[in-house]
Amino acid sequence: QSVLTQPPSVSAAPGQKVTVSCSGSSSNIGNNYVSWYQQLPGTAPKLLIYDNNQRPSGIPDRFSGSKSGTSATLGITGLQTGDEASYYCGTWDSSLSAVVFGGGTKLTVL
Amino acid sequence: EVQLVESGGGFVQPGGSLRVSCAASGFTVSSNYMSWVRQAPGKGLEWVSVIYSGGSTYYADSVKGRFTISRDNSKNTLYLQMNSLRAEDTAVYYCARPVISRRAFYFDYWGQGTLVTVSS
Repeated sequence: QSVLTQPPSVSAAPGQKVTVSCSGSSSNIGNNYVSWYQQLPGTAPKLLIYDNNQRPSGIPDRFSGSKSGTSATLGITGLQTGDEASYYCGTWDSSLSAVVFGGGTKLTVL
Repeated sequence: EVQLVESGGGFVQPGGSLRVSCAASGFTVSSNYMSWVRQAPGKGLEWVSVIYSGGSTYYADSVKGRFTISRDNSKNTLYLQMNSLRAEDTAVYYCARPVISRRAFYFDYWGQGTLVTVSS
């Protein structure tokens, strides 16, 4: 069981918007920055969002991140079939002294 | 261009040992933090270990005492020595470069991964 909680799956139609939630506690999300990763089928994870809401160079502004209290959210607008992937949140856990991840959310673009 | 290329994965019996490698290019391993992250088949991501630029090392509780992270500065290569392997260590092992600050720990570059299978 993962320290961070994500929904196993989400789905939406092409062109629509979807959000992925990530719930934690004060020892992780509540006091540290959250990052998000995209893992396309059969490939390595790729950094999408860091420091709660910052996008690395080359990541389109269709992807956004936010944080409130002990929860974080990834938003994806203008959905494309190429966005079908698993999405993971991650952060540092100060109590565990370890990096922790969510269990992953599989996005289906219908 | 930053590149991370893992190698050394394979099939090993329970209780056995294996060393996986990660050859880096485009940056200097010894001047950066470096990590291993694993993913069991069909499962999520699990952080395994980190080595700081100063040489300090840290491990997840699940591998502490069995795995050792190290680097060869002359080869610009990161290693993970895995001993006393268990079936639950079966996973794709990714080399990743962490960015670490007081409140952040995230991975900006990842390798393609190498599969380690522990089975009798």
